[in-house]
Amino acid sequence: RKEVEQDPGPFNVPEGATVAFNCTYSNSASQSFFWYRQDCRKEPKLLMSVYSSGNEDGRFTAQLNRASQYISLLIRDSKLSDSATYLCVVTLKSSGDKLTFGTGTRLAVRP
Amino acid sequence: NAGVTQTPKFQVLKTGQSMTLQCAQDMNHEYMSWYRQDPGMGLRLIHYSVGAGITDQGEVPNGYNVSRSTTEDFPLRLLSAAPSQTSVYFCASRDPGHGDTIYFGEGSWLTVV
Repeated sequence: RKEVEQDPGPFNVPEGATVAFNCTYSNSASQSFFWYRQDCRKEPKLLMSVYSSGNEDGRFTAQLNRASQYISLLIRDSKLSDSATYLCVVTLKSSGDKLTFGTGTRLAVRP
Repeated sequence: NAGVTQTPKFQVLKTGQSMTLQCAQDMNHEYMSWYRQDPGMGLRLIHYSVGAGITDQGEVPNGYNVSRSTTEDFPLRLLSAAPSQTSVYFCASRDPGHGDTIYFGEGSWLTVV
């Protein structure tokens, strides 16, 4: 089993739709969780951190479920500009602060 | 404040040639890393450093060398390029003590023919 797994997609949704991605992780000792956004032929950039209590930033909501070992990203009212690949990142402090990346979920928002 | 600067952006190499990808950051981050990104495989760690003078191997270190003589610079050397090293390379830096955000360079597209 991969340490961090994501559905590669693509998720094709119309503008205005709500879309959700999940990311599962295998190591229960994982401590920090993030969502990064990567546009085509660009570097990944931080979208948001994921906190135990869940957190929201405008149209984006991130949740952490430690019991089932997954994080989620919900995007409401999708915009064309949301089209990108979304990477989940998990850190494991006990292994030298190791970062593990998911392979990413591709989102395509159509007019 | 330039963040993470990576050069060159594009490079074509012949098999067997050597080259160095340059990476510099001006955020005084202790942690720096090199990743390669291939289709369907995500970002894989090549080498990393937790401070000047300290380097360690990541998941896919073979064929690459690094050094960290200063906090700012973390060059990646390809010793004898192979077609399997055709990839996109990202340098990254972060400060685990302050939010843990990873800052990436813009990437280097390397083709080995």
